[in-house]
Amino acid sequence: AQSVTQPDIHITVSEGASLELRCNYSYGATPYLFWYVQSPGQGLQLLLKYFSGDTLVQGIKGFEAEFKRSQSSFNLRKPSVHWSDAAEYFCAVGAGDYKLSFGAGTTVTVRA
Amino acid sequence: GAVVSQHPSRVICKSGTSVKIECRSLDFQATTMFWYRQFPKKSLMLMATSNEGSKATYEQGVEKDKFLINHASLTLSTLTVTSAHPEDSSFYICSAERQRTSYNEQFFGPGTRLTVL
Repeated sequence: AQSVTQPDIHITVSEGASLELRCNYSYGATPYLFWYVQSPGQGLQLLLKYFSGDTLVQGIKGFEAEFKRSQSSFNLRKPSVHWSDAAEYFCAVGAGDYKLSFGAGTTVTVRA
Repeated sequence: GAVVSQHPSRVICKSGTSVKIECRSLDFQATTMFWYRQFPKKSLMLMATSNEGSKATYEQGVEKDKFLINHASLTLSTLTVTSAHPEDSSFYICSAERQRTSYNEQFFGPGTRLTVL
């Protein structure tokens, strides 16, 4: 079975600074990888996904993620964060049965 | 496109009563919908997979008699929490699957906050 680890529970970053959220997965085959963002009390919004091909994936809101098979990682990055990026971020891995397994999430706080 | 709604967004009920939560795919047909439960500051836990016209498949440890799922049409799935108790209080999120050529993508609803008094 697949699993996802997000090592950072909480990250605080200054507005305008860069952000990187870590995600490591465990899965025997080529995974389908996702990053979602959740604002307080809201559902999940897809930021980006990786299925195959180019390992650097561009998403919405200026986010990107890089798939590194050798490291079993799919880290999310943003060059310059905005106060509106404060939210909970979830990494997820999908398998052949289309079920998603989510990481525990990383809370991002943006300070002025 | 690919909008999923949930109703109600928030519900408070007394212990022992039943609560029904609706999940609708507004602009696409979904043969499969998923129900998740999210505890505060925690990840999403898959509860069950709901397939249109057939019985739901529950994940291990989820009580199917407590969490009744019905997927009566290609755009509607319902979750009924029966004889709710305070420990059932949680944030319930549904997702609807839209078929793609490479991978069936899930689209998430905004969630329902259930509080059982």
